[in-house]
Amino acid sequence: AQTVTQSQPEMSVQEAETVTLSCTYDTSESDYYLFWYKQPPSRQMILVIRQEAYKQQNATENRFSVNFQKAAKSFSLKISDSQLGDAAMYFCAYRSIYSGAGSYQLTFGKGTKLSVIP
Amino acid sequence: EPEVTQTPSHQVTQMGQEVILRCVPISNHLYFYWYRQILGQKVEFLVSFYNNEISEKSEIFDDQFSVERPDGSNFTLKIRSTKLEDSAMYFCATTRDSQTREFFGPGTRLTVL
Repeated sequence: AQTVTQSQPEMSVQEAETVTLSCTYDTSESDYYLFWYKQPPSRQMILVIRQEAYKQQNATENRFSVNFQKAAKSFSLKISDSQLGDAAMYFCAYRSIYSGAGSYQLTFGKGTKLSVIP
Repeated sequence: EPEVTQTPSHQVTQMGQEVILRCVPISNHLYFYWYRQILGQKVEFLVSFYNNEISEKSEIFDDQFSVERPDGSNFTLKIRSTKLEDSAMYFCATTRDSQTREFFGPGTRLTVL
């Protein structure tokens, strides 16, 4: 079974600065997807960024980028030019590409609570 | 952007009562999921549903839980006899196939008294 570990329960960043959230995972699969989700106080799950393991290029979405190190099984999220609206819980998640059972569920880490200081 | 809807947004029930949580998936999606998030904890997989049957379930999904898609549109999660520890946020998520992203509903907050 796959596991996802987020070792930073809480992080803080000054507005306009850059912060990096860490995530490591364990799997025996060679192809898979990795995700970062944002959960604001409303508790809605918002997809931030997605990475395909078979792509060497790190995914980017505007101010959000990842550092994907497949051999190290590491998947960190970098938020540049942090804004007050970035304050939220961030979850790292793993998903298999292949499933004999017809299920492609997400496995989540425990999350990192990000605070943005004005 | 298409969206998954869930009703109700908040449900309060007494311990031992049955509750049904409803989800309307995106119309061309084939894979449906329920996740649970106890307050302050991580999001946990409960069950997946494909081709009108359960494809996988977690150890959390015991005999008190059931899912169905009674009318081809709604996807429901039933908890037969609620316990205090069932208090949580329940998210429905759907995907079209193995390559596309999940779309999450806004969640139903279940409070068991």
